[in-house]
Amino acid sequence: NAGVMQNPRHLVRRRGQEARLRCSPMKGHSHVYWYRQLPEEGLKFMVYLQKENIIDESGMPKERFSAEFPKEGPSILRIQQVVRGDSAAYFCASSPLDRAITDTQYFGPGTRLTVL
Amino acid sequence: DAKTTQPNSMESNEEEPVHLPCNHSTISGTDYIHWYRQLPSQGPEYVIHGLTSNVNNRMASLAIAEDRKSSTLILHRATLRDAAVYYCILRDVDTGRRALTFGSGTRLQVQP
Repeated sequence: NAGVMQNPRHLVRRRGQEARLRCSPMKGHSHVYWYRQLPEEGLKFMVYLQKENIIDESGMPKERFSAEFPKEGPSILRIQQVVRGDSAAYFCASSPLDRAITDTQYFGPGTRLTVL
Repeated sequence: DAKTTQPNSMESNEEEPVHLPCNHSTISGTDYIHWYRQLPSQGPEYVIHGLTSNVNNRMASLAIAEDRKSSTLILHRATLRDAAVYYCILRDVDTGRRALTFGSGTRLQVQP
């Protein structure tokens, strides 16, 4: 069973460009989470999605950031008009179950975004 | 959310046991104690979780204090591959909130 896949692994953008980060959850998982890790900082939750629905976006910046998890295909984290402060590692996680008490999250290898 | 407190760093020698402490004095009755770790340049990975009783799995053991105000992650024989940042995380099943709240964790160094 393949793990959580993220691509690209490394992404370089210039200020003002758009960044699209993709996450394919583990087979059979219908819950996806995005986290961001700024340089030398801890991981911060951004958004939690189920198929076609955003469930919790309390950690998502109000502007320029959006996420989707369509019925078919990977989850996408989109950052418009990137700024240098967006440079970070973005991790996606997925989980299979509805019950939070056994909701182990399986993380992908991350996408490292560098904004020049 | 209940907070956790962990030492910033710890050192261990290879093949020796490691005890990683976590204080959570404001834990509620519905908080589960989860541990994740993050190896260098990788995403976090689940280690173990428990509620009241001690737990064992192939990776580690989790010892939970009787009053639940603290817990200890035990690696029985540290290897170089166990060098990572270890995060102790509380998850309240009553809130239904699924997001993991990572603190600063404990950076474990393993010496050969």
